[in-house]
Amino acid sequence: GAGVSQTPSNKVTEKGKYVELRCDPISGHTALYWYRQSLGQGPEFLIYFQGTGAADDSGLPNDRFFAVRPEGSVSTLKIQRTERGDSAVYLCASSLGTGSNSPLHFGNGTRLTVT
Amino acid sequence: GQQVMQIPQYQHVQEGEDFTTYCNSSTTLSNIQWYKQRPGGHPVFLIQLVKSGEVKKQKRLTFQFGEAKKNSSLHITATQTTDVGTYFCEVNAGKSTFGDGTTLTVKP
Repeated sequence: GAGVSQTPSNKVTEKGKYVELRCDPISGHTALYWYRQSLGQGPEFLIYFQGTGAADDSGLPNDRFFAVRPEGSVSTLKIQRTERGDSAVYLCASSLGTGSNSPLHFGNGTRLTVT
Repeated sequence: GQQVMQIPQYQHVQEGEDFTTYCNSSTTLSNIQWYKQRPGGHPVFLIQLVKSGEVKKQKRLTFQFGEAKKNSSLHITATQTTDVGTYFCEVNAGKSTFGDGTTLTVKP
């Protein structure tokens, strides 16, 4: 497809479980971002990849959160020992270039519910 | 860290009325982006502003960047029901930061 693809679209998990969220960016986009969005708020930055490396992971809330992008394309956001407060929509976005000059193209998000 | 404030949080208008949302930063920005998120959807890029005092138009939408590059506005003329959604500004000064958005509802 032409857009950013995120799977699954919905994920329900029990407190304490491990989850993986996948993002497939637009082909050729070198930059990839993960955000978390709660109801009534704007997307909250988590991590930014340029190619395979995490250029900025300062938004990850704690060490339960980790993300990888091993081949510079698909990325996986991993959350260990999930907590109810992790419930949110996790958005992935990709862009053509670096820095602030390239618009972000968002996927439809993964709605994570921790029970 | 970088913060952006958006006002108002909500705006309810009658179809045909105008709408404006404002984005304010405490620091000087290199550029600013605007996105629209429909209910149940994801943010969609609208425009980027780069130059001091810049004004850009997209049909009924007018975007403005302040002279000091610390604030921006989005104005919609004669709103339509298709304009409903939440409008976000985004700045990237080394780290992408979104405002909390202005949610627009339009009564037909």
